Amino acid sequence: EDQVTQSPEALRLQEGESSSLNCSYTVSGLRGLFWYRQDPGKGPEFLFTLYSAGEEKEKERLKATLTKKESFLHITAPKPEDSATYLCAVAPRGQNFVFGPGTRLSVLP
Amino acid sequence: DSGVTQTPKHLITATGQRVTLRCSPRSGDLSVYWYQQSLDQGLQFLIQYYNGEERAKGNILERFSAQQFPDLHSELNLSSLELGDSALYFCASSVEGGANTGELFFGEGSRLTVL
Repeated sequence: EDQVTQSPEALRLQEGESSSLNCSYTVSGLRGLFWYRQDPGKGPEFLFTLYSAGEEKEKERLKATLTKKESFLHITAPKPEDSATYLCAVAPRGQNFVFGPGTRLSVLP
Repeated sequence: DSGVTQTPKHLITATGQRVTLRCSPRSGDLSVYWYQQSLDQGLQFLIQYYNGEERAKGNILERFSAQQFPDLHSELNLSSLELGDSALYFCASSVEGGANTGELFFGEGSRLTVL
C-alpha cells in the first residue's frame, strides 16, 4: 500500500534557527514527490516537485531534497512568515496523489 | 489568490441532508480534483475530472457524487450526510499533465459542519 509519513508532527523554531522536515514514503513506482505549504484556513500552495533521487530544488529559505525513500525540506534562517503546515505528497504510477499528514511549523520572533 | 473559486465557504447542515459544493477552476485549466481534509484523515483524494469526463476515483463514498459541466465548473454532491462527513472540502485545478508536475492550484475550501 502506498504510504507517506512526515516527521515531526509539529516543530517550533526561533527565528533564524535552521532545521529540516522529513517525508518518508513507500510507493509502487514513483512519478514524483511534491511539497506544499498550507496556511490556516487556506488551501495548500504548491512549492516543489522532485522526480529522482539526488534532485534538489530551492526557493528563498527553502530547499527540498530527495533520496530513494525520503525527502527533506530544509529551512534556513526561518522567519515568522514561514509558519505554516508543510505537506508532502507522492504520485504513484497510475494513481493520483497521496498526501502525508503534514508538519506544523511555528517560527517564533 | 490561486484563481480557483469555491462556494460556499461555510455550510452547516443536519444529518441526513444533502448539500452541493461548487468549484470554478482557473481559467484554462481542464482538470478538476476534489479532496477532503479532516483532522484525523489528512488530505484525501476523492475524484478527478478532465474536460467533463471522470478521470480518476479515490476514496469517494457512494453517497457522494460529482460532475464537471461544459463550462468546466464542477459540483460535488454529498447526500445522506453523517456526522463524520464534517470536513474541509477542497477543489483543485491544473493544466494538462498537472498530475505529473504536481502543480495543483487549490481553492480556499468549503467547510462543512454536519450537526
